[in-house]
Formats: sequence, C-alpha cells, structure tokens
Amino acid sequence: DAGVIQSPRHEVTEMGQEVTLRCKPISGHDYLFWYRQTMMRGLELLIYFNNNVPIDDSGMPEDRFSAKMPNASFSTLKIQPSEPRDSAVYFCASSISGGFEKLFFGSGTQLSVL
Amino acid sequence: QQQVKQSPQSLIVQKGGISIINCAYENTAFDYFPWYQQFPGKGPALLIAIRPDVSEKKEGRFTISFNKSAKQFSLHIMDSQPGDSATYFCAAGQSWGKLQFGAGTQVVVTP
Repeated sequence: DAGVIQSPRHEVTEMGQEVTLRCKPISGHDYLFWYRQTMMRGLELLIYFNNNVPIDDSGMPEDRFSAKMPNASFSTLKIQPSEPRDSAVYFCASSISGGFEKLFFGSGTQLSVL
Repeated sequence: QQQVKQSPQSLIVQKGGISIINCAYENTAFDYFPWYQQFPGKGPALLIAIRPDVSEKKEGRFTISFNKSAKQFSLHIMDSQPGDSATYFCAAGQSWGKLQFGAGTQVVVTP
C-alpha cells in the first residue's frame, strides 16, 4: 500500500492567497484526520472525519480554515486567506475503524506563508 | 492547557546506551497511551502503545513502563542505535476519543 498521500509536499505562498492542501487516505480506512505541527504548539488536531462526515472541527483555528471530504479517497484542507502565522507542517492521517488508535500519517505539507 | 507533559526536550545517547523519555498526564479518564516516532521530513509513525491494565509492554528494544497511580508513563529504548535518532512523541487519550500529544523529544544516538 502506498500509505497516506499528501500534496503538495511544499507550498510557498503570499499572505492573502488561498491555499489548498490535499490528502488521499489509505484505501479502506474510514477515519481521516488533519493535524498541524509547529515548534510552538506541537501536534494539533484540526478536524477529523468518519466515513466522510466531519465529526469534530473544534481544532480549526478560524473561519479561514475549511476542510472537506467529498469521498472516501480524497480530502482537502483550505486556508483562505492565508496568513504568515499559518506557516506550519500540515499532516493528514487515516485509521481503520479504531478512531484514534493506530494513526497512519502522511509525509506532510510544509506550508510557508510570506 | 497542556494535558500531556513530555521530558526531556532532547537527549543524546551513545550507541548501545539506554534512552529514557518520560510523560505525565492529567486526565484520569485516559486509557490509551501510544508512542510515535518521527524522522525528519516524515510523518509520525506508531511505535508502541499501552493500556492501563498492564504496567509494562515490550516490543523488541522498545519498552513502555506505565504507572497509573502517578499518572506517568515512559519509553525506554534499549541498546540504542544510530537509526533510532528521531523525534519521539508520547500521546494519551480515551478510547474513541481524541489523542493529546506531548511536545516531543529529539533523540540523537552517537556512533
């Protein structure tokens, strides 16, 4: 299995621009998670889905952030407009049936907002 | 509020030595305690996990020790190897609940 696939690996954008991060979970996994990693705040859960339905988005920092999962094999995290403080590594993870047990993380998207 | 506190922030150990990372949690309802290993440029990967019904779990050179009364758990890496150099995260959570991650420990194993 190819694992969780994220794109792009690196994104550099200017403040105010829209950013879209993409994730393909492992086939058959029914949970999908979006995390953000920074030196200051560590790993933060932004939102997670079960069977394509958002379950908890309480970690989404602001209305500028939105996430969708139109089908079992694809999810997006969008930031509009982006700000320098959004600079971080964004990880997508998936798991099968066990919720937060045994998360499989992608390699992440390094986002830099200038 | 940080619910899982991890220490040390970093450690250097010689090849063959023992690496010890400690974590403390606050929520007594937590019943799942995993450790994740992260290499540069990669996402975290599950290394080993424990539930509070046992005090120790061993997988190869990696051992989790769990002290329920003290609300602490630790990761021991025996016979540390240069390939173990990575950042290690502890986490805690409830079954079917969200995980709280520690801040991470960067481990460097010198040859």
